[in-house]
Amino acid sequence: DSGVTQTPKHLITATGQRVTLRCSPRSGDLSVYWYQQSLDQGLQFLIQYYNGEERAKGNILERFSAQQFPDLHSELNLSSLELGDSALYFCASSGLPEDTEAFFGQGTRLTVV
Amino acid sequence: GQNIDQPTEMTATEGAIVQINCTYQTSGFNGLFWYQQHAGEAPTFLSYNVLDGLEEKGRFSSFLSRSKGYSYLLLKELQMKDSASYLCAVSPADSSYKLIFGSGTRLLVRP
Repeated sequence: DSGVTQTPKHLITATGQRVTLRCSPRSGDLSVYWYQQSLDQGLQFLIQYYNGEERAKGNILERFSAQQFPDLHSELNLSSLELGDSALYFCASSGLPEDTEAFFGQGTRLTVV
Repeated sequence: GQNIDQPTEMTATEGAIVQINCTYQTSGFNGLFWYQQHAGEAPTFLSYNVLDGLEEKGRFSSFLSRSKGYSYLLLKELQMKDSASYLCAVSPADSSYKLIFGSGTRLLVRP
């Protein structure tokens, strides 16, 4: 158990809908990262937050947004869902942005039908 | 551009040694990571290299040559549970932890 908690574990929704994925980092970790892993694809970096502020952005679609709250949990919002958004969404956390090791949650498997 | 290459699949025998190679071309370099990922599970951290040379950690070792843009992960005394995907990832210099991942190498360990 990495200490990073993601909910829900599985989500099935229809095209055009909006979903929110939630991540609670390890106790004391200030950085949260979101990654997308499609079938047979590598992990794609989406966005990073550090202590509530956006720190780095990857190839995140405009339909996607994220935030980190004062209690350091983070949410990833996916809207106007398309079939191609079906993927595993991982959250990872670390104490400092410079930390060499980040701990991944178990992921949320999103299926868009 | 950013590019990380590693073999798609490898097969090895239980008890043997296997080397998984990774080559990278990125805009700057701030470290190279290896992660293990079992199907449908979270990646777990294996190693981190920022200086040239070999880092050994139990049955796993990782090597880095920055001048060649090359790394390898060496797994010794293979066990069946080592069957997994092994992900090479690079942290480019412009962000300490915006990791760029390779597509991963699926390792199958046979009895």
